[in-house]
Amino acid sequence: AQTVTQSQPEMSVQEAETVTLSCTYDTSESDYYLFWYKQPPSRQMILVIRQEAYKQQNATENRFSVNFQKAAKSFSLKISDSQLGDAAMYFCAFSNTGNQFYFGTGTSLTVIP
Amino acid sequence: DTEVTQTPKHLVMGMTNKKSLKCEQHMGHRAMYWYKQKAKKPPELMFVYSYEKLSINESVPSRFSPECPNSSLLNLHLHALQPEDSALYLCASSHPGAEELFFGSGTQLSVL
Repeated sequence: AQTVTQSQPEMSVQEAETVTLSCTYDTSESDYYLFWYKQPPSRQMILVIRQEAYKQQNATENRFSVNFQKAAKSFSLKISDSQLGDAAMYFCAFSNTGNQFYFGTGTSLTVIP
Repeated sequence: DTEVTQTPKHLVMGMTNKKSLKCEQHMGHRAMYWYKQKAKKPPELMFVYSYEKLSINESVPSRFSPECPNSSLLNLHLHALQPEDSALYLCASSHPGAEELFFGSGTQLSVL
């Protein structure tokens, strides 16, 4: 069975600073995807970044980047130059090729002005 | 068009009512999902349709009845719900192969 673990229920960061959210997962599969989704107070789930397991290069999207350590089954999200609009619940997620998505328990990020 | 559209956005219903939630996407996705989400919790999978056939039912009570009339539409029929069923109901879609989930904005359901 696949599991996704987010060990930080809450995090805070000063505006313009950098924060890293942690995620570990467990799977026996070799072909999969990893995601970070953001859910602001509006509760719309928004894809922040995606990583294909077969790619060694870490994904980046503007101020968002990941540190993907396949052997360690770790997938952390780094947010640089944090903005007030980054305040949200962040969910790490895993998918295999069988239309199954598995979500972590989430990290609530507060951005302090 | 990269949107998943859900209606209604809010719904209040009594325990004896029958109502339906609707979801529509025009991205050509052949996998569609219903999730239930309580506040500050991750989405919980309820149902998955793949090529218009129900492929996953996560032991959801029969008071929730999904329907996939065609490749663009997904409904969730509600009947005799309980107050504990109050939650945000999210629809999502993806290409088969689970490369990415596209979510709708959800229906906030309150059962009185």
